[in-house]
Amino acid sequence: EPEVTQTPSHQVTQMGQEVILRCVPISNHLYFYWYRQILGQKVEFLVSFYNNEISEKSEIFDDQFSVERPDGSNFTLKIRSTKLEDSAMYFCAKSGTSGTGELFFGEGSRLTVL
Amino acid sequence: SQQGEEDPQALSIQEGENATMNCSYKTSINNLQWYRQNSGRGLVHLILIRSNEREKHSGRLRVTLDTSKKSSSLLITASRAADTASYFCATPPPGNAGNMLTFGGGTRLMVKP
Repeated sequence: EPEVTQTPSHQVTQMGQEVILRCVPISNHLYFYWYRQILGQKVEFLVSFYNNEISEKSEIFDDQFSVERPDGSNFTLKIRSTKLEDSAMYFCAKSGTSGTGELFFGEGSRLTVL
Repeated sequence: SQQGEEDPQALSIQEGENATMNCSYKTSINNLQWYRQNSGRGLVHLILIRSNEREKHSGRLRVTLDTSKKSSSLLITASRAADTASYFCATPPPGNAGNMLTFGGGTRLMVKP
C-alpha cells in the first residue's frame, strides 16, 4: 500500500516562528495521524483526524498545535510559536484499508528549531 | 513503566545469522505490531499479530505473541545487511484496535556483511 508524501523533508526555523508541515495522501482517505519522534526517543502519537475533525489527541498536542485539511487533499500540522523542544521528526500516517489497525507512514519532516 | 519496551536495545550480528528481538507490554491489547525504521526514514509496517494468535510468519519474519506474559518476539531469519535498521513494537490502547499506537523504544539491529 502506498505511503503518504510529506513536505518539507527538512525545515529549519527560528524559535517563536510558525511552521506548517504538509501531508498529501495518495488515495482518498479519511483517517490520518501525526506522530512525532524526537531524536533518539520513541515515536509518539500526537493526533488523529477523521472526516475533517480531530478524533483523538495526546497530551503533547496542546494549543500550540493544530491540524486541518484546508483543500480536501493536503493534511497539515501547524505548530505556532515553535520552541527548541519541538525539534523532531514529524510523521504523517494513514490507516490501512483492511481496517486491521496497521499504519502507513510518510518519510517524515525533520523540524529543527534554533 | 512503559508500554512496549524492546529488548535488546542494540543487536549486532553477522549476515546469515538470525536476529531475535523482544517486546514487553503492560496493558491488555487487541493486537501488536512491528515496524522497521531505516536511519532518518519513515516507519514501515512489517507485521500485525492479533491477541488471539500465537505465531505469525511473513517471509523471513516470524512473530510470536504470549499474552499471558505480555510479550512478543520478532525473529528475522538469514539476516542480510539490508535488514540493518531499528525495529519497534507498537500497541493500540486497551480494548481498542485503532491506530493511536504506543511505540516502544526500539531495537537497533546492525547486520555486518
